[in-house]
Amino acid sequence: AQSVSQHNHHVILSEAASLELGCNYSYGGTVNLFWYVQYPGQHLQLLLKYFSGDPLVKGIKGFEAEFIKSKFSFNLRKPSVQWSDTAEYFCAVNAPLGTGRRALTFGSGTRLQVQP
Amino acid sequence: ETGVTQTPRHLVMGMTNKKSLKCEQHLGHNAMYWYKQSAKKPLELMFVYNFKEQTENNSVPSRFSPECPNSSHLFLHLHTLQPEDSALYLCASSQGGGEYSPLHFGNGTRLTVT
Repeated sequence: AQSVSQHNHHVILSEAASLELGCNYSYGGTVNLFWYVQYPGQHLQLLLKYFSGDPLVKGIKGFEAEFIKSKFSFNLRKPSVQWSDTAEYFCAVNAPLGTGRRALTFGSGTRLQVQP
Repeated sequence: ETGVTQTPRHLVMGMTNKKSLKCEQHLGHNAMYWYKQSAKKPLELMFVYNFKEQTENNSVPSRFSPECPNSSHLFLHLHTLQPEDSALYLCASSQGGGEYSPLHFGNGTRLTVT
């Protein structure tokens, strides 16, 4: 089965610090990649996505992610975090399941806490 | 407002009870999903429906029984659950199979099995 690994389970940063959250996946074929964010008390929502083309994608709220195929990685970055970025971040990969159909496989999430 | 509404928000049930979770999407999507979110674990895909037809059952125990009467509504019928089934159950929808269309999630139903 495909897997998505987020090695940072809990990250604490001060405001204005730079952020990088790691995401690695196991599928060797063509993938579509996503980052979702869940703010406290809110639903999961899309932050950014990569399908093809420029491997550096920009999302909402100043976030960006870089797809590095050779490293099976899709790390999320932000140059300067704000207190309002406190949330849980999930990496997801759309890849074939065992049945051959494709569906989103999620990582276990990274809880980001930004201190004012 | 997510466009995907789940009820109830919280549910406590005993192991011998039968209950149902409901999901409704107002986005005109044709695919709907059930995911299970447990603490410190990845979201687990449970079921996928595309145009009311079940296209994926990710080895889910039979005590979970989905129903999709139309493209806007999705149910998860629960029967004889175990305490380890306690989790947040998320419904999502997408336009098409989700390969290129992002998922839109509801707020979830927090289930506690006693």
